[in-house]
Order: sequence, then C-alpha cells, then structure tokens
Amino acid sequence: AQSVTQLDSHVSVSEGTPVLLRCNYSSSYSPSLFWYVQHPNKGLQLLLKYTSAATLVKGINGFEAEFKKSETSFHLTKPSAHMSDAAEYFCVVSEDGQNFVFGPGTRLSVLP
Amino acid sequence: SQTIHQWPATLVQPVGSPLSLECTVEGTSNPNLYWYRQAAGRGLQLLFYSVGIGQISSEVPQNLSASRPQDRQFILSSKKLLLSDSGFYLCAWGRGGHQPQHFGDGTRLSIL
Repeated sequence: AQSVTQLDSHVSVSEGTPVLLRCNYSSSYSPSLFWYVQHPNKGLQLLLKYTSAATLVKGINGFEAEFKKSETSFHLTKPSAHMSDAAEYFCVVSEDGQNFVFGPGTRLSVLP
Repeated sequence: SQTIHQWPATLVQPVGSPLSLECTVEGTSNPNLYWYRQAAGRGLQLLFYSVGIGQISSEVPQNLSASRPQDRQFILSSKKLLLSDSGFYLCAWGRGGHQPQHFGDGTRLSIL
C-alpha cells in the first residue's frame, strides 16, 4: 500500500531565506510523486511532478524537488521565499495514475 | 488546453436540504474524475472517482452520491444534508498513466 508522510505540519521562514518542505513516501512500486500548493479557499495547483525521469525536478515559481529512492523522500525546496509563497503544500503519491494518496499538508508561513 | 469548472463557489444550505454540485471538464475526452472533501485545516478525503460514464467508485460510505451522466460531467448529490457535510469540495480530473490530477477552484459548503 502507498502512503505519504509530511514531517512538518507548519513551517515558518523569513522572506528571502530558503524553504524546505519534507515529504517521505511508501510504495511497493515505482511511484509518481507530485507537489501541489493551495492558497486559502482555492483549488490545488500543481507545482511539479516526478514520473521516473530526472530525479531533480524543477517546477513553477522557483520550486524544485529531488527524488531520493534510497531515502524514499521527495523534499520540496526553494532558494528564496516570497510573501506570496505562504500557503498549504501537499505531497502526493500515485502508483497507478488512478489512485492518489495525499499527505496531510504543510502550512508555510513567510515572515516579512 | 484543458479547463475544469466547478459551481457554485459558495453554498449555504439548511440541514436536511438536498445538494447538487456540478463539475465539468473541457478540452479532453474520457478523463478520470474525482470528488474530494477537505474539512477545515485538514487534508483531502477522496469521496468518489469515475473512469467512465456511469462508472462510479465510492471510497467513503455516507449520505452523498455521485453521478456521471456525460463524459465530462461529474455531479455530487445528497438527498438530505447533515451538519457534518460542511466543508470544501474539490473536483479533479486526470488522464491516468502517472499524469497528475488537475483541480477545480472548489465549492465552500456551509450547513446551518
């Protein structure tokens, strides 16, 4: 069975400092992995996806994530946080492209 | 390009009243369709998914139902709403094959 753990329910950073949101997954197969962002009262927007190509994946808005099979991790990073990055972030795993398992989410706060 | 529409954006209903939320997808054919619910400050709970017209899989037994009368239309219904049905309802579509889901803007449902 597949599962996702987001190690931090809340991360707070200062504007201009790096962002690290942690995600670990469990899967019996070679999964696809995704990161989504959700602003208040909005739907989820895809940030980036890993589908067995390059292990370092670049996404929108300066975010990137690295797939590490040995550590079963898919952490999301950004070199410099902006105020507009404050939102909820979800890590998602899928083994078959039909069933998607969502992590509980990490709320990112960006302090001025 | 593909787009997904959900309506209404917000809805306030009394306990015991019926419900109908609609979701439509444009620009693609035979998508996989999903209904999720998100309680306040919580992650996403999969309610229903569909791989084709008339094919509905239910993940959580409850007083909600879903229908797919047309290829790109997905409807979430209830005959009698409960207080516990309050939440943020999200529709999503996907292509399978390890491709990501794409979400609508959601419906905020408040039960009084």
